[in-house]
Amino acid sequence: DVKVTQSSRYLVKRTGEKVFLECVQDMDHENMFWYRQDPGLGLRLIYFSYDVKMKEKGDIPEGYSVSREKKERFSLILESASTNQTSMYLCASSWTADNEKLFFGSGTQLSVL
Amino acid sequence: SQKIEQNSEALNIQEGKTATLTCNYTNYSPAYLQWYRQDPGRGPVFLLLIRENEKEKRKERLKVTFDTTLKQSLFHITASQPADSATYLCALDPSGSARQLTFGSGTQLTVLP
Repeated sequence: DVKVTQSSRYLVKRTGEKVFLECVQDMDHENMFWYRQDPGLGLRLIYFSYDVKMKEKGDIPEGYSVSREKKERFSLILESASTNQTSMYLCASSWTADNEKLFFGSGTQLSVL
Repeated sequence: SQKIEQNSEALNIQEGKTATLTCNYTNYSPAYLQWYRQDPGRGPVFLLLIRENEKEKRKERLKVTFDTTLKQSLFHITASQPADSATYLCALDPSGSARQLTFGSGTQLTVLP
């Protein structure tokens, strides 16, 4: 089975802190994604990567950056955390082909105080 | 702007009945439509994918329809069980590569024993 592992289930950070969220997948997927999920808003794409060192902005990239130095690992970085970044963060991965679906991690609930 | 609406935030039905969930979209021409299941505190799990040229897709007790004229997908769970209780998300994909999925906010289904 495909496994997408997010490093933390829960995180509590202070405003202004730099925050790293890590995601690792074990299926050699080309594509990796970071979403945030907020009540009533659904999942919104922050960034995705289709290859090592490649990245594309999603719908809400402001305040975030990403890093993909190895194929299996995709990191989301909050340079200076703010309270409006309190959310559930979901990592996903997929192959590049027709009919593709996403495989999600269990999510990280981030609270910024 | 693109908009995806899933009928009612919450749906309660009696065990054994058929649950029908609706996904409507505007200003969008998806090539594919996907349905995911999400349990509390977990990431979404892929259920079914249907292409724009397919009218219907089935998998065990699940059935999905896709009407590009009405801009609507219906998701049916027949002979529903309490274990089917979860939030169900629809996602639109313009290309089939899963790189540009746009998610609805979900419908929370509760199957009452």
